[in-house]
Amino acid sequence: DGGITQSPKYLFRKEGQNVTLSCEQNLNHDAMYWYRQDPGQGLRLIYYSQIVNDFQKGDIAEGYSVSREKKESFPLTVTSAQKNPTAFYLCASTRGLAGRSETQYFGPGTRLTVL
Amino acid sequence: GDSVTQMEGPVTLSEEAFLTINCTYTATGYPSLFWYVQYPGEGLQLLLKATKADDKGSNKGFEATYRKETTSFHLEKGSVQVSDSAVYFCALLSGAGSYQLTFGKGTKLSVIP
Repeated sequence: DGGITQSPKYLFRKEGQNVTLSCEQNLNHDAMYWYRQDPGQGLRLIYYSQIVNDFQKGDIAEGYSVSREKKESFPLTVTSAQKNPTAFYLCASTRGLAGRSETQYFGPGTRLTVL
Repeated sequence: GDSVTQMEGPVTLSEEAFLTINCTYTATGYPSLFWYVQYPGEGLQLLLKATKADDKGSNKGFEATYRKETTSFHLEKGSVQVSDSAVYFCALLSGAGSYQLTFGKGTKLSVIP
């Protein structure tokens, strides 16, 4: 079955540590996205990538970094510079960026808790 | 900039009640509009979408009509079930070639037997 996988489902981190969240898709989609979700809030875009070896900052990129070395993978690193990292992180993908009806497909999410 | 406003939740309904979740938007050009649903502990799933004015999106008994004159995309269902309990997000995508979905804050729906 095609889809997006995120691991781990739950992640705990000590303050001051970097942590990397995994996102893999087998949909052969070109574009991938990382969102952050906080309680009672909508989703906010952290980073997105249109093609391999290219990515752009979203609305809240500070304290985060990404890489896109392979089409199917888009890992997110939450660095110690992120002041309030406890949140639910969602990865998504689309076939491409063009077109008005592009549907974003979401992974199951990773819940990060900083202790 | 673009924005989406949803009715505040939580919403609690009895099974078989009628559901309306209001959504209005502000956008440049002619956006595409979406409703996503998030079940507890999961990611988002597309529920329905509409890409131009007067289009009606529908899925699983849910419907929403793209109203350009009122800049609205209200979600409706005639008879809700316990399994519809989830958080519902309205979102828009502005114009061709756009990449960034703008989400509302979500409306939590609880359906009780």
